[in-house]
Amino acid sequence: EVQLVESGGGLVRPGGSLRLSCAASRFTFSTYDMHWVRQATGKGLEWVSGIGSRGDTYYPDSVKGRFNISRENAGNSLSLQMHSLIVEDTAVYYCVRGRRSMGFDSWGQGILVTVSS
Amino acid sequence: IQMTQSPSTLSASVGDRVTITCRASQSISTWLAWYQQKPGKAPDLLIYKASTLENGVPSRFRGTGSGTEFTLTIDGLRPDDSASYYCQAYNAYWTFGQGTKVEIK
Repeated sequence: EVQLVESGGGLVRPGGSLRLSCAASRFTFSTYDMHWVRQATGKGLEWVSGIGSRGDTYYPDSVKGRFNISRENAGNSLSLQMHSLIVEDTAVYYCVRGRRSMGFDSWGQGILVTVSS
Repeated sequence: IQMTQSPSTLSASVGDRVTITCRASQSISTWLAWYQQKPGKAPDLLIYKASTLENGVPSRFRGTGSGTEFTLTIDGLRPDDSASYYCQAYNAYWTFGQGTKVEIK
């Protein structure tokens, strides 16, 4: 069974930075697209970044220029570097495996990021 | 692309047929997925390509539609189906609908 385990969450001040990591296992990581999806408490799902198997990256306007997604295929890891954080970035962040024909077929358990002074 | 789901909440009885609608602001062909999310858990993929059931998903879940109009139907609602359901377009970027909370009466 696919495993995706997030780490690096926590409390950060507005304007600060934080780096999330995701350790992937039990599948051939290098051949899959990977994404980050977030969910504020009591709210819906919001896609926040994606990276293709060849390293092409994608962002919605809400985080473009502030968030940077990257991957290390040799270590089966995914990262999300977040800068200039605002209160509205507070959410549970999920590491997600994507498939172009299917959407998002495997999700991590999620990790909480809180942006507060 | 904007994805609009309706209703935002619904309450139904065990055994009922439940229908959730998702509308795309422009055509997405059949590049649509449905997810189920239970409280405190990560979402699970239910349906992809608008109508294909993910492995292990019960056949009481059914997805239909193409272009801009899509529906998720649950035939014979069960207590375990109490959850939030999200549609997602994935033709270019990846956009979720606002979600529908399904409650059991």
